[in-house]
Amino acid sequence: GAGVSQSPSNKVTEKGKDVELRCDPISGHTALYWYRQRLGQGLEFLIYFQGNSAPDKSGLPSDRFSAERTGESVSTLTIQRTQQEDSAVYLCASSFKVRETQYFGPGTRLLVL
Amino acid sequence: KQEVTQIPAALSVPEGENLVLNCSFTDSAIYNLQWFRQDPGKGLTSLLLIQSSQREQTSGRLNASLDKSSGRSTLYIAASQPGDSATYLCAVVFSGGYNKLIFGAGTRLAVHP
Repeated sequence: GAGVSQSPSNKVTEKGKDVELRCDPISGHTALYWYRQRLGQGLEFLIYFQGNSAPDKSGLPSDRFSAERTGESVSTLTIQRTQQEDSAVYLCASSFKVRETQYFGPGTRLLVL
Repeated sequence: KQEVTQIPAALSVPEGENLVLNCSFTDSAIYNLQWFRQDPGKGLTSLLLIQSSQREQTSGRLNASLDKSSGRSTLYIAASQPGDSATYLCAVVFSGGYNKLIFGAGTRLAVHP
């Protein structure tokens, strides 16, 4: 596609449920990133994938968060046993190579009740 | 700790003014710096990327400069228009093996007719 796409655009869930967020990067982009933006706060890095290298998971806030990427295609971010503090906009970005311009998707707005 | 700071937090100007947004970072060892714009409820749009070896980049009415030694970047917007109203984010990829963007908190710009 022309840009990074994410689904769903909005997700409302109950505390304790698991959620799965999807990111489709720009075709040919080898690097993929997940960020989080909580209300009134700045963007926080979560995880980064580069080709077949081991992902950089240094930003994941707890072991309830995990992410996968198959090759250089789709990525899913999974949050298990959601908590209210997980409510945020989850943004995905991709770049052709590492340290090049990152292009962001529209985000998934997650609300945990 | 590697941090990015943006000043001012908010700015309101009349249409037609030239304006400068400031970004500072704590570590001069960077790979690159990227400026984004974020519109309410939407994802991020990349405006300019400056590599560590560059001093400035220009795109239309936008000019971004980089002074690594002082840990500063400025985004200059010429002849501002109401359509420029948005939050402007500065983000840095620091050296040291990290490929993630570290974001500033942003400058909320309002350009009124």
